[in-house]
Amino acid sequence: NSKVIQTPRYLVKGQGQKAKMRCIPEKGHPVVFWYQQNKNNEFKFLINFQNQEVLQQIDMTEKRFSAECPSNSPCSLEIQSSEAGDSALYLCASAGQYAEQFFGPGTRLTVL
Amino acid sequence: GDSVTQTEGLVTLTKGLPVMLNCTYQTTYSPFLFWYVQHLNEAPKLLLKSSTDNKRTEHQGFYATLHKSSSSFHLQKSSVQLSDSALYFCALSLYRGSALGRLHFGAGTQLIVIP
Repeated sequence: NSKVIQTPRYLVKGQGQKAKMRCIPEKGHPVVFWYQQNKNNEFKFLINFQNQEVLQQIDMTEKRFSAECPSNSPCSLEIQSSEAGDSALYLCASAGQYAEQFFGPGTRLTVL
Repeated sequence: GDSVTQTEGLVTLTKGLPVMLNCTYQTTYSPFLFWYVQHLNEAPKLLLKSSTDNKRTEHQGFYATLHKSSSSFHLQKSSVQLSDSALYFCALSLYRGSALGRLHFGAGTQLIVIP
């Protein structure tokens, strides 16, 4: 069973509000990924880190999305100004260096 | 670009019958393939993984073989159970420097098992 912790499990925001979610990767996993799963169950990769450094990210993260993985603190994903289209399940996954990804339970964001 | 195709969106089967869910991928790099299962309102859980050509991998009654010649990694089970009803995703990862990179997911196949 995955030991990735994500908080909060549910997040409700109004349009234009900030939305912040956190992830504690499984102990010993240096790589962290963020994905967005929409209501059609489609996955969109957002960003990933190895230790504190960004490995890959897509342009989608635009300027409204920001993420970080500071040492000795939870990783976080923040949407500066939420839009209705951001409503989705945000999944954090962690992995060993050359290993499979294990997912946390996700943060379900609803933007009203 | 790198991608995964799952041809069946929905598969409905009677308990006890065999199932095969199709997965093909496209990449010019050395692939690492995964099957994840996602039950309703839960996170995806790893079911199978492989990067070895022509070697069968098995877990919880499910099995798959990576065939690089046909770029396929089909998921099979000889006898489905009611508890197998879930969303199944095939995913591709590639080596990126010092780690495995992001997952490229297929569209998913909803498996419904009926009594």
